[in-house]
Amino acid sequence: EVQLVESGGGLVQPGSSLRLYCTTSGGTFGDSGMHWLRQAPGKGPEWVSGISWNNVFINYGDSVKGRFTVSRDNAKNSLYLQMDSLTTEDTALYYCASRREGQGFGIWGRGTMVSVSP
Amino acid sequence: EIVMTQSPATLSVSPGERATLSCRASQSVNRNLAWYQQKVGQAPRLLIYGASTRATGIPARFSGTGSGTEFTLTISSLQSEDFAVYYCQQYDKWPPLTFGGGTTVEIK
Repeated sequence: EVQLVESGGGLVQPGSSLRLYCTTSGGTFGDSGMHWLRQAPGKGPEWVSGISWNNVFINYGDSVKGRFTVSRDNAKNSLYLQMDSLTTEDTALYYCASRREGQGFGIWGRGTMVSVSP
Repeated sequence: EIVMTQSPATLSVSPGERATLSCRASQSVNRNLAWYQQKVGQAPRLLIYGASTRATGIPARFSGTGSGTEFTLTISSLQSEDFAVYYCQQYDKWPPLTFGGGTTVEIK
């Protein structure tokens, strides 16, 4: 069974950058779209960004557009999220998740925490 | 952006009883709707997609109905492990992919 594992989170100051990583355990990304979502403490999930299996379609939520960059390397079964110009509003648990066409987010990682504080 | 609204915010139910959760979309999402369960300290788990198709391994006591703008998740007989937060999410018109605010199912 495919499992997703996120890493790269941490505590940073406003204006800083972080790069998040997501890799698979027990399988590959296959032909799934891969997404980043986040969840602030006590809040519901928020979709951040998604990338199609072939890197053709890349989308971002309005709150991160222009600051975050998603990419994937299928040969390495890896998904990345480059986060620049971080603000305190970006503080959340960041998940990577896979989604097949016509379905919801079927596989989630356990998340990596990003804290942005002065 | 499609806004998803869930009701009620909190549902108090006794074990063994039926729970009915509602989700409304600000415009039609056809049947492109998913439901998730989230327990404390865990990632959301996909329960239902396509408004009514159970994901792999999801018990039959979970069922989804609806289309267009009105959707319902029913848990036919609540088990102790079902007390959690439930979210709906549309994937019909995106970006962005949007979630509802959640319904907490708590023990009565």
